[in-house]
Amino acid sequence: QKEVEQNSGPLSVPEGAIASLNCTYSDRGSQSFFWYRQYSGKSPELIMFIYSNGDKEDGRFTAQLNKASQYVSLLIRDSQPSDSATYLCAVNPSGGYNKLIFGAGTRLAVHP
Amino acid sequence: GAVVSQHPSWVICKSGTSVKIECRSLDFQATTMFWYRQFPKQSLMLMATSNEGSKATYEQGVEKDKFLINHASLTLSTLTVTSAHPEDSSFYICSARGRDTIIPRPQHFGDGTRLSIL
Repeated sequence: QKEVEQNSGPLSVPEGAIASLNCTYSDRGSQSFFWYRQYSGKSPELIMFIYSNGDKEDGRFTAQLNKASQYVSLLIRDSQPSDSATYLCAVNPSGGYNKLIFGAGTRLAVHP
Repeated sequence: GAVVSQHPSWVICKSGTSVKIECRSLDFQATTMFWYRQFPKQSLMLMATSNEGSKATYEQGVEKDKFLINHASLTLSTLTVTSAHPEDSSFYICSARGRDTIIPRPQHFGDGTRLSIL
């Protein structure tokens, strides 16, 4: 079973703080990793993707990938109440280039 | 860019009814479309993958005769839930992937269809 694990949360952070969201995956051959944000009752929207070890920054978001440890994380700087949502980690498993395996998501709550 | 439109957004119908959900890529050609189902407080579960002009590939445990998928063009895929029952009530979401130049090619999601079977 190829799994993607996330802490369900809620992760509560004050406005302006850094939110750190983590994700581990079981398939060592996974190639690409995606972070999606999903507001309640809505479909996921892509925040960013990463496929090389290290950090990738896009505005207030930084994705970090460590393939040796099989984890990927998302940092949100200067968190805003509008960032409150469920963040889904998704992985392209080995041998399944087309597919995405989603984690259950971490609920983030940014309070003023 | 990369807009995916899904219709209808909400369906309430009686048990035994068949329901068709449409997924359209509005500004790109979707070579591959995906159908997911999401139950409350759970993650997205892939139901099937369809490539334009080919039969859909269903995930293990998904009944292909119950969930009919058609991907006849590069901009349209449909999911028909045949003889729907209350246990089919869920949030159905489609996504599409085109011939993006960036690698890996991300999936772009529709707004989802909330299906309630009475």
